[in-house]
Amino acid sequence: KAGVTQTPRYLIKTRGQQVTLSCSPISGHRSVSWYQQTPGQGLQFLFEYFSETQRNKGNFPGRFSGRQFSNSRSEMNVSTLELGDSALYLCASSFSLSDKNTEAFFGQGTRLTVV
Amino acid sequence: AQSVTQPDIHITVSEGASLELRCNYSYGATPYLFWYVQSPGQGLQLLLKYFSGDTLVQGIKGFEAEFKRSQSSFNLRKPSVHWSDAAEYFCAVGAGGNKLVFGAGTILRVKS
Repeated sequence: KAGVTQTPRYLIKTRGQQVTLSCSPISGHRSVSWYQQTPGQGLQFLFEYFSETQRNKGNFPGRFSGRQFSNSRSEMNVSTLELGDSALYLCASSFSLSDKNTEAFFGQGTRLTVV
Repeated sequence: AQSVTQPDIHITVSEGASLELRCNYSYGATPYLFWYVQSPGQGLQLLLKYFSGDTLVQGIKGFEAEFKRSQSSFNLRKPSVHWSDAAEYFCAVGAGGNKLVFGAGTILRVKS
């Protein structure tokens, strides 16, 4: 069974540009969550999608957005990039959405560098 | 709001020695607790999880953790550390749906 696939693995962008990151969850998993990891702030929850609907959102500005497709693949977009957006962006897939946390499987992440 | 504290930023142990990584959480109800490990430049791998039941949880790679409600703790232990265990370890609490709130992490160094 293939794991969570994130593409691309590395990105270098210029301030002011926008970027789109992709995540393909494990086959059969319908929930996708996104996290930002930085040395200063650690791992922070961005948002979660289930059945093409955003179910939960973290405390990030509106420049950060996402979506999920009918095949459960998800993309996140960051517009008007700032230097502080440089981070490892991790995607996690889970089988279902419930109040009882199911196990989250993480991808290897996309390393975004903003220059 | 849920929160997780990992008091130790760095820990160094000798190969073969025992290990305990500390984790304290803040959560109003029965928590769902997790330990993840991350090697440099990689994603997170789940070591073990606690949802309910037996408070001593066994995980992969010889790790175990004990849930102590009275101390709001979920410490990770391993009886004998191997050099390959050097990595960063994250404790996390479920915060509704599949949202996880993570601690700041503990970097484990293993001395040979």
